[in-house]
Amino acid sequence: SQTIHQWPATLVQPVGSPLSLECTVEGTSNPNLYWYRQAAGRGLQLLFYSVGIGQISSEVPQNLSASRPQDRQFILSSKKLLLSDSGFYLCAWSVHRGSPLHFGNGTRLTVT
Amino acid sequence: AQSVTQLDSHVSVSEGTPVLLRCNYSSSYSPSLFWYVQHPNKGLQLLLKYTSAATLVKGINGFEAEFKKSETSFHLTKPSAHMSDAAEYFCVVSHGASGTYKYIFGTGTRLKVLA
Repeated sequence: SQTIHQWPATLVQPVGSPLSLECTVEGTSNPNLYWYRQAAGRGLQLLFYSVGIGQISSEVPQNLSASRPQDRQFILSSKKLLLSDSGFYLCAWSVHRGSPLHFGNGTRLTVT
Repeated sequence: AQSVTQLDSHVSVSEGTPVLLRCNYSSSYSPSLFWYVQHPNKGLQLLLKYTSAATLVKGINGFEAEFKKSETSFHLTKPSAHMSDAAEYFCVVSHGASGTYKYIFGTGTRLKVLA
């Protein structure tokens, strides 16, 4: 069966520090991968998605970047965190068009 | 362009009474529609999905939703609320051109279940 791993679960980082969040999927090949952010009390904002290795689509211009160095690995990064980067970050994958998204357990990021 | 509107940000029901969470969508193409549930500080769990098969979709935990194309709606219902249903619920629409798949989320409805 397919599983998705996302870590760390919680993270507290100072303003200006770098960020690296990692997500891996097991049990499937060539998944579509997604990073979402959820601000407190708000819906999910699509940040990036990827349909293949090295292929990244950015939805919102911001302080973050994403990379997909391997088929089932998706990394969210920042060189210098801002206070506004605080939030709940969710990684997800899907098999194909019309298929459901499957989510990781999320990372709670607090930038201080 | 796709969009999703969840008509209520908060819904309160008494335990044992019916639940109705409303969702309207906009899509230029035949959409796939989903409902997800999120408990505090957790990821999202799929409740049910509509992908152009039966218009009445049954999901987990007694939830179901009906796709009504004429009304562009996909409301979520449950006959009898349970305390464990208290959570946030998201309606999602998806359409992708060849090779790309974007999912658009509603802003969520927080369900409160009163004892």
